[in-house]
Amino acid sequence: AQSVTQPDIHITVSEGASLELRCNYSYGATPYLFWYVQSPGQGLQLLLKYFSGDTLVQGIKGFEAEFKRSQSSFNLRKPSVHWSDAAEYFCAALMEYGNKLVFGAGTILRVKS
Amino acid sequence: NAGVTQTPKFQVLKTGQSMTLQCAQDMNHEYMSWYRQDPGMGLRLIHYSVGAGITDQGEVPNGYNVSRSTTEDFPLRLLSAAPSQTSVYFCASSRDGYNEQFFGPGTRLTVL
Repeated sequence: AQSVTQPDIHITVSEGASLELRCNYSYGATPYLFWYVQSPGQGLQLLLKYFSGDTLVQGIKGFEAEFKRSQSSFNLRKPSVHWSDAAEYFCAALMEYGNKLVFGAGTILRVKS
Repeated sequence: NAGVTQTPKFQVLKTGQSMTLQCAQDMNHEYMSWYRQDPGMGLRLIHYSVGAGITDQGEVPNGYNVSRSTTEDFPLRLLSAAPSQTSVYFCASSRDGYNEQFFGPGTRLTVL
């Protein structure tokens, strides 16, 4: 079955440190890939997306993600984390001719000062 | 543009009661969807619609009904609420099924 896996439930980083959140997908072809962020009590906001082309995509708030076909991965990175980045991050994939967005379980990011 | 709006923000129901969660968007999007969010499970697709008059099931459709009579509105109905339906519900819309989905603020539902 098609699925999206985020192996880390919680991650804690120090403010100013670099960040990498992992995402793997299971699908026969290359899906469309997304990263969303959810602040407490809020809806989801799109950080970035990958459809095709350049495998390194830039998003909002200084985030970037790299698509690696050989590893079926789409990891999210930020070079220097700010306290305001504390939130839950979701990786998602569109499979099966679109229409059905599949989410990972999410990674909760804590930032310590 | 208000984007995607949802009402109510919070709701408490007793087992067996029915209710409708409202969702509206003002972006003229053809695609709309409903998700439920439970701790440790991410968001799971309940139902979706690719245009007025067209709906289809997602991953967890049991216990929920939808209809799409206009482009703007996509209500979610719980006919007989169960405690297992306690969750946070998000509505989303997109230009089509392949593009970025815009999410509403969510409805937190508790079924006692």
